[in-house]
Amino acid sequence: GQQLNQSPQSMFIQEGEDVSMNCTSSSIFNTWLWYKQEPGEGPVLLIALYKAGELTSNGRLTAQFGITRKDSFLNISASIPSDVGIYFCAGHNAGNMLTFGGGTRLMVKP
Amino acid sequence: EPEVTQTPSHQVTQMGQEVILRCVPISNHLYFYWYRQILGQKVEFLVSFYNNEISEKSEIFDDQFSVERPDGSNFTLKIRSTKLEDSAMYFCASSDPRGLFHEQYFGPGTRLTVT
Repeated sequence: GQQLNQSPQSMFIQEGEDVSMNCTSSSIFNTWLWYKQEPGEGPVLLIALYKAGELTSNGRLTAQFGITRKDSFLNISASIPSDVGIYFCAGHNAGNMLTFGGGTRLMVKP
Repeated sequence: EPEVTQTPSHQVTQMGQEVILRCVPISNHLYFYWYRQILGQKVEFLVSFYNNEISEKSEIFDDQFSVERPDGSNFTLKIRSTKLEDSAMYFCASSDPRGLFHEQYFGPGTRLTVT
C-alpha cells in the first residue's frame, strides 16, 4: 500500500520558535491534509490542500502541497505551548480512505 | 460546532468476547469511517460506509469486523471475537459528500483494551 514518511519524528522547541515538518510519499496523492492529535483525543483537521503547488494558511499554520504531488510541508510560526501535540499528514487518492503518516510529536518549552 | 461523538470512551473486554463500539457522526454527513490507532503507531483505515453499505475496506477489516447503521444517527463497529492485538484506539469519522468528502472529521475515540 501507499506509505507516507513524515519527519521529523519529534521536535522539542522553545516557545516563539517557528516549526517545520514534512511528509513525503513514493506515490502521488490528489489531496493532502494535516491533522493535530492531542493526548486522549481524535485527530483534528487543520488544513486541507487540493492542488499541486497550493499554499494555504490557517492562522499561524501554513501548509503547501508539493508540485510533484508527492510531498507536503506544514509550518507553524511563533509556537506557543498549546501547539503541543502530534501532527499527522494524511493523503487521499482514490476511494474513501486516508493514508496517514507516522506523525511528528511537537513539544514546546515555555 | 457539530462534532462526532463516540461511546464508550474506554472499553475493557476479555479475549474472545464481542464488543460494539458506537459513534454518532455529524448529522448532515453521509460518509462514515472507522480507523484504528495501535498505541504509538499511525492511524490506519479500517472501513468506509455510504448509503447503507461498505464502500471500501482495508486488509485489517476481516470477517471478525462488521459495521452497521442501525438508525438515522448511530454508526457501530462490531468485533465478534476480540483478540489481544485488537487493543487500540478506534476512531469514527464522517464527511460530507456535498463538500469535499475526504475532509474527514474524527471523533475522540474509544480505547479498546483486550485482556
